[in-house]
Amino acid sequence: DQQVKQNSPSLSVQEGRISILNCDYTNSMFDYFLWYKKYPAEGPTFLISISSIKDKNEDGRFTVFLNKSAKHLSLHIVPSQPGDSAVYFCAASDSGGSNYKLTFGKGTLLTVNP
Amino acid sequence: KAGVTQTPRYLIKTRGQQVTLSCSPISGHRSVSWYQQTPGQGLQFLFEYFSETQRNKGNFPGRFSGRQFSNSRSEMNVSTLELGDSALYLCASAEQGGINSPLHFGNGTRLTVT
Repeated sequence: DQQVKQNSPSLSVQEGRISILNCDYTNSMFDYFLWYKKYPAEGPTFLISISSIKDKNEDGRFTVFLNKSAKHLSLHIVPSQPGDSAVYFCAASDSGGSNYKLTFGKGTLLTVNP
Repeated sequence: KAGVTQTPRYLIKTRGQQVTLSCSPISGHRSVSWYQQTPGQGLQFLFEYFSETQRNKGNFPGRFSGRQFSNSRSEMNVSTLELGDSALYLCASAEQGGINSPLHFGNGTRLTVT
C-alpha cells in the first residue's frame, strides 16, 4: 500500500523551460511535505518543504504547490538547468512536524536537455 | 561542517551472515535516522534515534536493529541476512527532528547479499 505516489518514473525537459514534478498521497494525516533531490552515488539532498497550512512555498527557482483537497503536490522548477538532472523524491510526514519519519515516493528521474 | 559519513560504502555478504553499518552524523545533530532504498520500494524508514533512544520504528522485521552512542554516532545491524536485504542503506541526521530541522543524508552503504 503505497501512501506517497510519484506516477511518472521519468520526465525530460529542455533547458530554460519549466519542469513540473507531481506527487499524490493517500494518507490524510500527512501534514508536512518535502522534496529531495538525489544524484547518482550520493544521498538525497533536501530541496524545499511545505506545511499543510500553506498551499505554496517558494525558494528561488523552486516552488512547491499543495492541494490538500486533491491530496496532490507538485514541484515547479523554473527555469530548468542541466544541473537539475537528478532523481526527485517526494516525501511526507504525519508526525506533527517531526520530519524524522518520512514516507517517500519512488522518485521521478528528471533529465534537463541542453 | 563535515556531512553525514557512512561506512563502509560497499559491502558484500552471504545469506545467513550478519552485518553492521556505521553512521557519523553532522556535528551537533542529535537525531539519526536510517532508511533502506531498493528499486522496487523506494526509500523506506527503518528507525530513528535521538539521545541514544529509539523514538520511532518502521515496519521491518526484528532482524534489523540499531543503536546510538553518546556522541550521536549510530550503528545499524542486520542479522541472518536474506537476498532481499540487498539495498542501499541511507543514514540521515537532523538537529532535533522537527519541521525546522530537515534531514541531511549520507551517501549510503551499498549492501549486496549473495
